[in-house]
Amino acid sequence: GAGVSQSPSNKVTEKGKDVELRCDPISGHTALYWYRQSLGQGLEFLIYFQGNSAPDKSGLPSDRFSAERTGGSVSTLTIQRTQQEDSAVYLCASSPEGRVSVSEKLFFGSGTQLSVL
Amino acid sequence: AQKVTQAQTEISVVEKEDVTLDCVYETRDTTYYLFWYKQPPSGELVFLIRRNSFDEQNEISGRYSWNFQKSTSSFNFTITASQVVDSAVYFCALSEDLDNAGNMLTFGGGTRLMVKP
Repeated sequence: GAGVSQSPSNKVTEKGKDVELRCDPISGHTALYWYRQSLGQGLEFLIYFQGNSAPDKSGLPSDRFSAERTGGSVSTLTIQRTQQEDSAVYLCASSPEGRVSVSEKLFFGSGTQLSVL
Repeated sequence: AQKVTQAQTEISVVEKEDVTLDCVYETRDTTYYLFWYKQPPSGELVFLIRRNSFDEQNEISGRYSWNFQKSTSSFNFTITASQVVDSAVYFCALSEDLDNAGNMLTFGGGTRLMVKP
């Protein structure tokens, strides 16, 4: 497809279980971002990948959260031992270049709605 | 550290009314970028505009216009003659032009706009 693809679109899990969320960025985009949108709140930065560089993990809320990006393309966000406060929409975005002065905008996916019961 | 504030959490107008969405930002950087994104019910954020800190010219695009004022650290968004299709959550965001920050955005909390017929 032409856009950023995320799967699953909805995920319901029990507290304590691990979940994996997937993001397929636009082909050729070197930069990939994960954001979290909690109910009634803005978007919170989680992690940023740029090419083969070490990711910027400064936004990850705890060590239960991790992400990887294989082959510079698909990314997986993993949440271990999920808690109810992890319930949110997880949005992935990509851009052709990493630097804001070069890439005008981010292209967002439709997100994964995670519900932890 | 940067911060974006959208004081209006929800606005309701009747079709054809004009509406202004407020955005106030904080940053220590002299070079930065401001954005507006629209999030319709589908969930995917749609880019509307990017403005760099050295360009204070107001911009108009159809029914949309933006007023950037560095003196008050504001970047307000006006929709003229609103339509039902304008109903969405609108996010203001800020990005600093740093070597390692990519296009990482700091988002405001969003303003939910409801346009009634």
